[in-house]
Amino acid sequence: QTVVTQEPSFSVSPGGTVTLTCALSSGSVSTSYYPSWYQQTPGQAPRTLIYSTSTRSSGVPDRFSGSILGDTAALTITGAQADDESDYYCVLYMGSGISVFGGGTKLAVL
Amino acid sequence: EVQLVESGGGFIEPGGSLRLSCAASGFTFRNYAMSWVRQAPGKGLEWVSGISASGGGAYNADSVKGRFTISRDNSKDTLYLQMNGLGAEDTAVYYCAKGRQWLGGYYFDYWGQGTLVTVSS
Repeated sequence: QTVVTQEPSFSVSPGGTVTLTCALSSGSVSTSYYPSWYQQTPGQAPRTLIYSTSTRSSGVPDRFSGSILGDTAALTITGAQADDESDYYCVLYMGSGISVFGGGTKLAVL
Repeated sequence: EVQLVESGGGFIEPGGSLRLSCAASGFTFRNYAMSWVRQAPGKGLEWVSGISASGGGAYNADSVKGRFTISRDNSKDTLYLQMNGLGAEDTAVYYCAKGRQWLGGYYFDYWGQGTLVTVSS
C-alpha cells in the first residue's frame, strides 16, 4: 500500500520562509508523480495551490512555490503571512486514475 | 464560474446505503474526469473514487472497493457516489472535485463545499 508522508505540524514566523515536504513510502518522489498541493482552513473546502510539481494555480500568490527537493516534493512559502495558517496537503498521482493524499501538515504562523 | 454542489448526505445506520450527487455547472462537464474525496472528522483528506470524462473508466481506493460505485450522467451534468455497506469509518464530509489532466498528470482544480455523511446507530 502506498503511503505519502508529510510533517504533521510546522511553525513559521510572520515574514519567514518554510518548506513543507511530501515523501513516498516506497521510493523517491519525482515529477512523474505530478505532485499537487492544496490548502485548507477549518470548515472550508480545499483550495488548489500548485500542480504538476511547480505550476501555481490561478490566483495563487507567488510566495507559494513547488519543487522537488532530493527525494521529496516540496512546498515553500516565502514571506509567510498570518492567513497562511492552514492545513496543507500534497497529492501524488499514481497513474491509472489513482491519486494518493498525504496526511497533511498543520502550519502555524506565530 | 465553476460550481460543484454536493447533496445526499445525512445520517445512516451501519450497513445502510446512501447515494451522493454532485451537480456541476460553469464548465463542459462531459470533457472532464471527476473524483470524490472525503475527510473524516478531525482527519486528513482521502481520495475515494474517480471516473473518466466518458464514464468508461472508474477507479476506487482500496478502502471502499466493492462497496462504493462512482458514476456520472453527462446529460445531466451530475456525478454520483453510490455507497453500500456503510460503516462508522465512512463517516466524513464528502467533496466532489473536478479533475484536470495536465502533461500526463492529473490534479483537482475545483472543489465543492462538501456533504456530511454520518454513519451511526
